[in-house]
Amino acid sequence: EAGVTQFPSHSVIEKGQTVTLRCDPISGHDNLYWYRRVMGKEIKFLLHFVKESKQDESGMPNNRFLAERTGGTYSTLKVQPAELEDSGVYFCASSLPGTRGTNEQFFGPGTRLTVL
Amino acid sequence: DQQVKQNSPSLSVQEGRISILNCDYTNSMFDYFLWYKKYPAEGPTFLISISSIKDKNEDGRFTVFLNKSAKHLSLHIVPSQPGDSAVYFCAARGGSYIPTFGRGTSLIVHP
Repeated sequence: EAGVTQFPSHSVIEKGQTVTLRCDPISGHDNLYWYRRVMGKEIKFLLHFVKESKQDESGMPNNRFLAERTGGTYSTLKVQPAELEDSGVYFCASSLPGTRGTNEQFFGPGTRLTVL
Repeated sequence: DQQVKQNSPSLSVQEGRISILNCDYTNSMFDYFLWYKKYPAEGPTFLISISSIKDKNEDGRFTVFLNKSAKHLSLHIVPSQPGDSAVYFCAARGGSYIPTFGRGTSLIVHP
């Protein structure tokens, strides 16, 4: 069974440009999460989808970030316009329906975003 | 303000010896703790977890110990193997399904 996939693996853009990251969760996983890790720091939560609905977007840094999950399948995270501090590795994770207990999150390999 | 702290950025251990990775937390509401392992260019993968009602959980070579009064947990790997070389993240949850992660400890196991 395929795991969580993310595209692209790397992206280098200039400040002010727009970048869209994509995440394909494991089939059947209603829960989809976005996280970000700035180099050497902790992995920080950005937002959580249950199917196509945003359950929790408390971690989104500002309104330059827009996440969508149309149809409840894959998700996109758009950064527009990108700033230098947006550089980092963006991880996507998915989990089975339900959110309590030991509901394990499966992470994708991440997209490394570099803003110059 | 970090709620989950991994104060050792790196740890170097000889193959066959014990690796001990430490983690401290500040939020008393955390009731479930997890360790993730991350290889380069890969996402974190779940390794082992422990509920706050327990003080020890063992899975093969991996054991997690929880000291609630000290708000401290540790991951023991015995015996350590070169394939264990990775970044280990401590994470905690409480009242929410979203884990709070530490900054990670890079473990290097020398042959």
